[in-house]
Parts: sequence; structure tokens; C-alpha cells
Amino acid sequence: EDQVTQSPEALRLQEGESSSLNCSYTVSGLRGLFWYRQDPGKGPEFLFTLYSAGEEKEKERLKATLTKKESFLHITAPKPEDSATYLCAVQPSGTYKYIFGTGTRLKVLA
Amino acid sequence: DVKVTQSSRYLVKRTGEKVFLECVQDMDHENMFWYRQDPGLGLRLIYFSYDVKMKEKGDIPEGYSVSREKKERFSLILESASTNQTSMYLCASSHPMNTEAFFGQGTRLTVV
Repeated sequence: EDQVTQSPEALRLQEGESSSLNCSYTVSGLRGLFWYRQDPGKGPEFLFTLYSAGEEKEKERLKATLTKKESFLHITAPKPEDSATYLCAVQPSGTYKYIFGTGTRLKVLA
Repeated sequence: DVKVTQSSRYLVKRTGEKVFLECVQDMDHENMFWYRQDPGLGLRLIYFSYDVKMKEKGDIPEGYSVSREKKERFSLILESASTNQTSMYLCASSHPMNTEAFFGQGTRLTVV
């Protein structure tokens, strides 16, 4: 069964304290892996798409990486405005559907 | 920029009412989705449409139906609202060749 598991569920960081969020996935074939940011009461905002193992994408303080079994979202020197829930999703081969993890709630303290 | 617009941010409905949630996208996307999001359960797919008048059940279609009469509009219908349908509802769209989905701002539905 296709599945996405994110860890940790919640993470508190001091401003400037770098860390990584994990997304482990099980799919029969991967069409794409996606990272989203979601602020409270709002819809998810698209961040990155990764297609194959070894691929990396960067945007400001965020860097996403992909292996055959998991993806990491690295946050370098985070700021309070990076506080949000980060969602990971996969799109299995042969389908347009997306399977989401339950997210990591990140809180960055000033 | 891609824009996906949901008709309401907040809705309060009574048990047994028929409820319509509307979603419009402006990027000529073929694929549209309805998800619900509940704490601890993540996003769960209710219905999916890959073309006008075409639809496919997701993981939790019971109690819901959908309508897609025009490419840009995808409606979610709660035939007879129940309290266990209180949730955040999210609409999304995607182009088959681009893979990533873009979401609306969400509708927080409360059924009393």
C-alpha cells in the first residue's frame, strides 16, 4: 500500500538553529514527491517537486533532498516566520492522485 | 500565478442540509481534487476529476458527490450534512504534465 510518514510530528527550534524534517514513503513507483507549507487556517502552499533520487531543490532557507525511500527538508538558520506545518506528498506512477503525510508542525522561537 | 479560489472561507450549516462547496481555478488545469483535512489524519482525498464530467472516487467518498460541468469549476456536494463532516475542505488543481497541485485557501465547514 502506498504510504507517507513524516517525522517528527512537532519541532521547536530557536531562531538560527538548523534542523531537518523527514518524509519516508512507500510507493510502487514514484512520479513525484512534493513539499508544501501550510499556515494555520490556510491552504497548503507549494514549495518543491522532486522526481528522482539524488535530486535537490533550494529556496531561501529551505533545501529539499530525495533518496529512494525518503526525503528531507533542511531548514538552515530558521526565522520565526518559517513557523508553519510542512506537508510531504507523493504521486505514485500511473496516477494523478496525491498521498499526503500528516505533516510536521514547526515552531521557531525568537 | 496559479489561482484556486474556494467560494467560502467559513460555513456553518445544520444537520440534514444539502451543502455546496464551490471551487474555481484559472490555469486551465485538467485535474481537480477535493480533500478534507482533520487533525492527526492529514489530507484525505474525497473525489478527483480528470476532465469535464469525469470523476473518480477517492478514499472517503461516502456522503459526498461532485459536479464538474466546466473545466474551471469543481463542486463538492454534501447530500445531507452530518456533524462528522465538520472539517476543513481543500480544493486543488493540477496540470497532468506538471505534476504539482495548487490549493485553494480552504473552507472551514461546521455542521451543527
